[in-house]
Amino acid sequence: ETGVTQTPRHLVMGMTNKKSLKCEQHLGHNAMYWYKQSAKKPLELMFVYNFKEQTENNSVPSRFSPECPNSSHLFLHLHTLQPEDSALYLCASSQVLGAGGIDTQYFGPGTRLTVL
Amino acid sequence: RKEVEQDPGPFNVPEGATVAFNCTYSNSASQSFFWYRQDCRKEPKLLMSVYSSGNEDGRFTAQLNRASQYISLLIRDSKLSDSATYLCVVKSPGSARQLTFGSGTQLTVLP
Repeated sequence: ETGVTQTPRHLVMGMTNKKSLKCEQHLGHNAMYWYKQSAKKPLELMFVYNFKEQTENNSVPSRFSPECPNSSHLFLHLHTLQPEDSALYLCASSQVLGAGGIDTQYFGPGTRLTVL
Repeated sequence: RKEVEQDPGPFNVPEGATVAFNCTYSNSASQSFFWYRQDCRKEPKLLMSVYSSGNEDGRFTAQLNRASQYISLLIRDSKLSDSATYLCVVKSPGSARQLTFGSGTQLTVLP
């Protein structure tokens, strides 16, 4: 077990639905991430939170809305998604070590999302 | 040119074989390098970091060639349990937390 949990593990939703993905890390880390993994494509970083503050937003459409209420929890709110948003959504966490530090990222099991 | 490029494979090798994967990266200022392993329908997990001097962990050896901007992973005496996708990961400069992932190389070890 990596210490990062995600719920739900599978989600099927229509384009007009609103749903949320949840991630929780039990590792005492201070940075959390959302990634998208589509078939045959590399992982794409979506959002980074460092000490609960969003530090990266890689041009993600506004139909994806992250929320980080504390350093242990991360949400991804979904609304009016498109079929091409179907993918595996992975959460990760790491411990920020300061400038130049190598902070290993630990991944949750992911939520497999299907948009109909 | 992709930031991180890997041969997608698949590599199908018999048990006990030695197999090597290469990965190239485009940004010469990249600072840190890793190999992650991802089993089918599972999350990526860190296999090993890659250090400038090269490093070994049991049957796995990682090498970094900064001049040619490539990273390699060598697996000796491969086991059935080594079957997975191996992801080359590079930490980009200028963004403290951002990792760039390759598409992965698929390995199947056959009995």
